[in-house]
Amino acid sequence: AQSVTQLGSHVSVSEGALVLLRCNYSSSVPPYLFWYVQYPNQGLQLLLKYTTGATLVKGINGFEAEFKKSETSFHLTKPSAHMSDAAEYFCAVSHGSGNTGKLIFGQGTTLQVKP
Amino acid sequence: GAVVSQHPSWVICKSGTSVKIECRSLDFQATTMFWYRQFPKQSLMLMATSNEGSKATYEQGVEKDKFLINHASLTLSTLTVTSAHPEDSSFYICSAREVFGTDTQYFGPGTRLTVL
Repeated sequence: AQSVTQLGSHVSVSEGALVLLRCNYSSSVPPYLFWYVQYPNQGLQLLLKYTTGATLVKGINGFEAEFKKSETSFHLTKPSAHMSDAAEYFCAVSHGSGNTGKLIFGQGTTLQVKP
Repeated sequence: GAVVSQHPSWVICKSGTSVKIECRSLDFQATTMFWYRQFPKQSLMLMATSNEGSKATYEQGVEKDKFLINHASLTLSTLTVTSAHPEDSSFYICSAREVFGTDTQYFGPGTRLTVL
């Protein structure tokens, strides 16, 4: 069975500081991995995804994530936090191509950005 | 591209009534759509998988007779909450699965349901 663990339900950084949101997964097959962001009372917006190929994935708004198979991790980073980055972030995993497409979500991490 | 809409964005209804929520993929075809439920400060809980032209597949613990799902076309899925009760109040989010490419799911903006 697949699962996703996001370490830290709440992360607080200062504006301009590095953002690091942690995600570990378990999967018996090569996974597809996703990061989504959710602003209050809104749906989810895709930040980035890893399917195959290059393990360092760049997304929107300056975010990137690196797939590390040996560590079963897919941590999300951004070099310099902006106030507008304050939101809820979800890591998710799916089986990959040809499957049902079901996503398994982590518990979410609330990112707070202090001025 | 890859825009998903939901209608309505919020709805308030009386207990015992039924509410229909629409989910549309605006610029792509989606043979599969998903319906999620999200409680405050929590993650998304998958309720069911909606496949165009066939019956929906419900997750364990989700009452299929209470949450009716119809996926009549490649761009539209509907969720009907029948005989709604206050405990059904929640944020309902749909997503549409991109068929070609990398099976990415694109999410709608969500529907806030409040049952009085």
